[in-house]
Amino acid sequence: DAGITQSPRHKVTETGTPVTLRCHQTENHRYMYWYRQDPGHGLRLIHYSYGVKDTDKGEVSDGYSVSRSKTEDFLLTLESATSSQTSVYFCAISEDGVKEKLFFGSGTQLSVL
Amino acid sequence: GDSVTQMEGPVTLSEEAFLTINCTYTATGYPSLFWYVQYPGEGLQLLLKATKADDKGSNKGFEATYRKETTSFHLEKGSVQVSDSAVYFCALYDGSARQLTFGSGTQLTVLP
Repeated sequence: DAGITQSPRHKVTETGTPVTLRCHQTENHRYMYWYRQDPGHGLRLIHYSYGVKDTDKGEVSDGYSVSRSKTEDFLLTLESATSSQTSVYFCAISEDGVKEKLFFGSGTQLSVL
Repeated sequence: GDSVTQMEGPVTLSEEAFLTINCTYTATGYPSLFWYVQYPGEGLQLLLKATKADDKGSNKGFEATYRKETTSFHLEKGSVQVSDSAVYFCALYDGSARQLTFGSGTQLTVLP
C-alpha cells in the first residue's frame, strides 16, 4: 500500500469556521490531488499540485485553497466552511500524473453544520 | 467536455453470478480509460486500465475492453465473490484536460 495519511479522518464543524485537511505521503511522488466524493457525482477534482509550491485549480475549486510547501504534505483549506462542503475528501498521489496509477488515501469525512 | 456515464446501481448479485457494469464515455480525443474500485471504508484503488482502442484491461478476474466504435468500457467478471462487494468507478483521462473524469460510481453487493 502506498504511504498516504489523511488527517483528520472525521471532522464536524460549524458554518463559517476555517478548516484545514492534511495529506501526508511517504512515497516522494511529484503529483498530489484533492478530490471530493458526493452521492451521484463520483469524485470531482478540487485542486492538484505538480510540485512544491506548484498548484492548479480543478473542476470544483471555489471556496477552497491549497498549499504545498514540502513534497510530502498537501493541505486543503476551507476558508469559511459552508454546508455545501459537507463531503468525503480524498487525497491522491501519483508519480507520473493521472494518466498512470493514482493512489488514494482513506478519506476525511467532513460535516459542516 | 469529457464525461463518463455509468449504469445506476445498486447492483445486487448472488455469489458466482456473472457481472456487467456498463460504462460509456464522451471525449474529444482518444482517452485512456480506467476502472477504480472502492472497498468499504477505504480509498479508491486502480482495478484495470486500457490506453487505446481494442485494448483489454484485466485484473483479479475482471475485464474491460476499450470499444471506440461504441465509446464504451464495460466491466465484466464471470463469477463474482462476496469479497467483490464494493463501489466501482469508471474514469477517463484526456491528455488535454490533464485530469481524470470519474463516473458517479456503481455500488455492487454480492450475497452468499
